[in-house]
Amino acid sequence: SQQGEEDPQALSIQEGENATMNCSYKTSINNLQWYRQNSGRGLVHLILIRSNEREKHSGRLRVTLDTSKKSSSLLITASRAADTASYFCATGTGFQKLVFGTGTRLLVSP
Amino acid sequence: EAGVAQSPRYKIIEKRQSVAFWCNPISGHATLYWYQQILGQGPKLLIQFQNNGVVDDSQLPKDRFSAERLKGVDSTLKIQPAKLEDSAVYLCASSSPGAAVGEQYFGPGTRLTVT
Repeated sequence: SQQGEEDPQALSIQEGENATMNCSYKTSINNLQWYRQNSGRGLVHLILIRSNEREKHSGRLRVTLDTSKKSSSLLITASRAADTASYFCATGTGFQKLVFGTGTRLLVSP
Repeated sequence: EAGVAQSPRYKIIEKRQSVAFWCNPISGHATLYWYQQILGQGPKLLIQFQNNGVVDDSQLPKDRFSAERLKGVDSTLKIQPAKLEDSAVYLCASSSPGAAVGEQYFGPGTRLTVT
């Protein structure tokens, strides 16, 4: 079963704009992670935020976590064409176990 | 360091045939995962190994799917017999107890088409 629901399902923006995608989940978590998947390639880990953290930054990425609302958001600033990919949130539960969401397809046009 | 290796990258079979996928995790990674990713969906965990023991196989269709991890390193996932709905990308991932909790490293996947 998939725990996370991501919104929007698809997002189309121009280079230089910011992209925001949201993730909602259902059960208690240890951490929440975001992964990127380019066409024809495997998943790549982007960032991890623990359940006791509220915000985390990594380069052009900013992740927030609201455990009271069971939701998270991923912000990519100053998007580039190379950011075109599918983005998945994954909730960390139990022993090193991840449950992935449904994903957001991001298209960044030059 | 070398990443997670998988083979083959692509496989086309007819329904009711059998197929096997191979995965070699990152050296030293004790935990190995197999996921199924159907087109347009997120990956779904099929089985999780810790060394050569099974931690979670609750979503593995055991009537047709089997997996093993001999010697706690390489792993194979088998489907016998395959059904049309098994068409998907099969992803292998590994993680280390020393890494950030839950961070997983994925291989390129095997794209299976069942006709």
